[in-house]
Amino acid sequence: ILNVEQSPQSLHVQEGDSTNFTCSFPSSNFYALHWYRWETAKSPEALFVMTLNGDEKKKGRISATLNTKEGYSYLYIKGSQPEDSATYLCAARAQAGTALIFGKGTTLSVSS
Amino acid sequence: NAGVTQTPKFQVLKTGQSMTLQCAQDMNHNSMYWYRQDPGMGLRLIYYSASEGTTDKGEVPNGYNVSRLNKREFSLRLESAAPSQTSVYFCASSSGGSGANVLTFGAGSRLTVL
Repeated sequence: ILNVEQSPQSLHVQEGDSTNFTCSFPSSNFYALHWYRWETAKSPEALFVMTLNGDEKKKGRISATLNTKEGYSYLYIKGSQPEDSATYLCAARAQAGTALIFGKGTTLSVSS
Repeated sequence: NAGVTQTPKFQVLKTGQSMTLQCAQDMNHNSMYWYRQDPGMGLRLIYYSASEGTTDKGEVPNGYNVSRLNKREFSLRLESAAPSQTSVYFCASSSGGSGANVLTFGAGSRLTVL
């Protein structure tokens, strides 16, 4: 079973601040990396999927990068808004056909 | 356009009782998963089914059994519930186990074991 770690555990920023979170995974055992956004009282929803070293994905003010050689991914939020408040989960898959293993998440709180 | 449907949404059990959580998806997905969510722990994989007819243990399988009844349905059974199994349970499905196949989650089932 993969060990997927996320940091920080929680983060509180002011509206308009930019922020980033880290997800780390074993570089020797990697197939795909997913990011999910999980709002309170809802189900997690997929943000990005990345598979190749150097991949970069962007959706509005949120973007992500992937470094498979060193085993990490960054999620960036530019100009945070209160509606960005959520828990952000990363998950890794070691091989095709295996399950996604999730990290513990980073909970973001944005104050207006 | 139901996606992933879980039942029941809420359940209270006494220690030692048994119950089954039901999950069904209507997206013709091959893979299905059961996760549990506990405070500060993210989502932990209990069991998954890569395709119809196969099941595999995840990170925390003890105390649970699963059945992939057909392509649509994947149930999770607690044979003798314990207070440590108090949690929110999420079922999810995906087209398959390749890199780009994202998970679609159900709404969750909140289980309390007294």
